[in-house]
Amino acid sequence: KAGVTQTPRYLIKTRGQQVTLSCSPISGHRSVSWYQQTPGQGLQFLFEYFSETQRNKGNFPGRFSGRQFSNSRSEMNVSTLELGDSALYLCASSLPSGGGAGELFFGEGSRLTVL
Amino acid sequence: ILNVEQSPQSLHVQEGDSTNFTCSFPSSNFYALHWYRWETAKSPEALFVMTLNGDEKKKGRISATLNTKEGYSYLYIKGSQPEDSATYLCAWENNAGNMLTFGGGTRLMVKP
Repeated sequence: KAGVTQTPRYLIKTRGQQVTLSCSPISGHRSVSWYQQTPGQGLQFLFEYFSETQRNKGNFPGRFSGRQFSNSRSEMNVSTLELGDSALYLCASSLPSGGGAGELFFGEGSRLTVL
Repeated sequence: ILNVEQSPQSLHVQEGDSTNFTCSFPSSNFYALHWYRWETAKSPEALFVMTLNGDEKKKGRISATLNTKEGYSYLYIKGSQPEDSATYLCAWENNAGNMLTFGGGTRLMVKP
């Protein structure tokens, strides 16, 4: 069974540019969530999608957006990049159990460097 | 601001030592407590998801306990091995579901 796949793995952008990151969840998983990892802040929740609907959003500015497609693949976009957006962006998929998130299965991440 | 705190931040032990870490979290609006292991250059991997007060879960030499009334969880590793070296993350899930608040992690280094 293929795991969660994120592309690209590494990318370098300059301030003011925009970036799109992609995540393909495990087959059959309909929930996809995104997290930002920075050295000072740890893993912080960005947003979660289920059946193409955003169900939760973390405390990030509107420059951070995402979407989910009918095949459960998800993209996140960051516009007008700032130096502080340099981070590892992790995507996780899950098969929600009961009312909760269930165990998360993470991808290897996309490491974004903003110069 | 929801605080999920982990201690210690880092830990160096000798092979064969047993060790434990703490995760404290808000006791109100609790739904689940997750533990993940994150090895360098890999993805975080789930160890346990616990929901009930008093829950104890075990996977090999690793076990975890949960106290939802006082808002803490312990992770125990018996007889640490070098391959246990990793960052151990706990994450609190509230009863709205679908989003996790992570602690800062405990970085464990096991010396052979």
